[in-house]
Amino acid sequence: KNEVEQSPQNLTAQEGEFITINCSYSVGISALHWLQQHPGGGIVSLFMLSSGKKKHGRLIATINIQEKHSSLHITASHPRDSAVYICAVSGDDMRFGAGTRLTVKP
Amino acid sequence: EPEVTQTPSHQVTQMGQEVILRCVPISNHLYFYWYRQILGQKVEFLVSFYNNEISEKSEIFDDQFSVERPDGSNFTLKIRSTKLEDSAMYFCASNGGVGLGEQFFGPGTRLTVL
Repeated sequence: KNEVEQSPQNLTAQEGEFITINCSYSVGISALHWLQQHPGGGIVSLFMLSSGKKKHGRLIATINIQEKHSSLHITASHPRDSAVYICAVSGDDMRFGAGTRLTVKP
Repeated sequence: EPEVTQTPSHQVTQMGQEVILRCVPISNHLYFYWYRQILGQKVEFLVSFYNNEISEKSEIFDDQFSVERPDGSNFTLKIRSTKLEDSAMYFCASNGGVGLGEQFFGPGTRLTVL
C-alpha cells in the first residue's frame, strides 16, 4: 500500500468549475506539501501545511491531522491550472503521491 | 526572486560512465535535497544534506551515489557508474531549514543513460 494516496488520478474540468483533489497518508508527518508540476517537468511548491487551512489566490489547502487527510481546492478553474498536482509528506524524508493530472478545458 | 538553478538541463551518457549533476541552491538556505523522477512515475526522495553532511537518505541512494557541497554555493550529485535504470529527471531543492517553509525546486536535469 502506498504511504501517500491521491485521488483522482486524472481529472478533466470545464473552465470555471470548482476542483477538489484529495490526499490520504498513512505515516507520521511533520508537514504536508502540495506541489504543481508543469508539462515541462518543473515543480513548484504551492503550500506547506501542518494544520488547518491555507489560501493563496484561487487555491485553498486543508489538512485534517486526525484523519490523515488533505484536500486541495481550486476555485474558478482556468486552463492555465492544467498540470499535475502532487501531494507529499515530510518527516525524516519526503514521500510523494503519484499525482493528479488536471486538465481544464476552455 | 531567488531561485534554485541546475545544470545541465539534459545529460546523455553511456552506461558505466560517471556523471555529476550540479545545483545552486538559494543562497541563504541551509537544507538541500535531491529527488528523482523516472519517466511516468512519482517523484522519489534520494537524500537530504545539512551542515556539510547527509541528514537522511533513501534505499535508492546506494554506494554509487554521493553528494557534495564543494564550494559553499554548488551542491552536486555524483553517480559513479551509471546504469540504464538511472535514466530519470533529477531535481534539486532547498529550504531555509526543517519546519522553516516550503522547499524550492530547481528545474531539473534530465539524465539519459544509453
